[in-house]
Amino acid sequence: GENVEQHPSTLSVQEGDSAVIKCTYSDSASNYFPWYKQELGKGPQLIIDIRSNVGEKKDQRIAVTLNKTAKHFSLHITETQPEDSAVYFCAAPLGGGKLIFGQGTELSVKP
Amino acid sequence: GAVVSQHPSRVICKSGTSVKIECRSLDFQATTMFWYRQFPKKSLMLMATSNEGSKATYEQGVEKDKFLINHASLTLSTLTVTSAHPEDSSFYICSAREGGGPSDTQYFGPGTRLTVL
Repeated sequence: GENVEQHPSTLSVQEGDSAVIKCTYSDSASNYFPWYKQELGKGPQLIIDIRSNVGEKKDQRIAVTLNKTAKHFSLHITETQPEDSAVYFCAAPLGGGKLIFGQGTELSVKP
Repeated sequence: GAVVSQHPSRVICKSGTSVKIECRSLDFQATTMFWYRQFPKKSLMLMATSNEGSKATYEQGVEKDKFLINHASLTLSTLTVTSAHPEDSSFYICSAREGGGPSDTQYFGPGTRLTVL
């Protein structure tokens, strides 16, 4: 069936290092790829998204890259800070606009 | 930015009672709202999709008579958990989408923690 695979499930980095989270999707018709950050006990917060007409998008320390041919997209966080620690989810829409979420990546940034 | 609120943020109820959760889009009109359920350390599981003025579409395995959804206006959707049982305890999150297309951004509410005793 249609799904979104996300890796790794946990990621631990030192403050100042970069973090990369990768997702693959199965529906070749998908054309919108958001990333959400979820802190403990809170709802997911949109941090960046990309549409299929571009291959990369950047917003300060956060960037997303998209490879439509390979059907994968990645989140890059540079100069990580302790407040970046959270669970990150990628997502892609199925037919009808339903967002299907990846399994999540628990990022821990150690001071 | 687009803001979605949920009320209550936390609710504790007795087994057999019903609980209503409200989801509001505060600064935009939401053509479509979604309800998700999330278990600890797990991803978001879509329960149903609701469009203003029409019946909700439920995902496979979600009981529509158990989880009643009403989307009465473009800024409000409600989820009622009827005859709640301890296994219904979970984190319920709504999201709202301004446009009607799959590439329109979804904004999430802060979630409601339901505990059924």
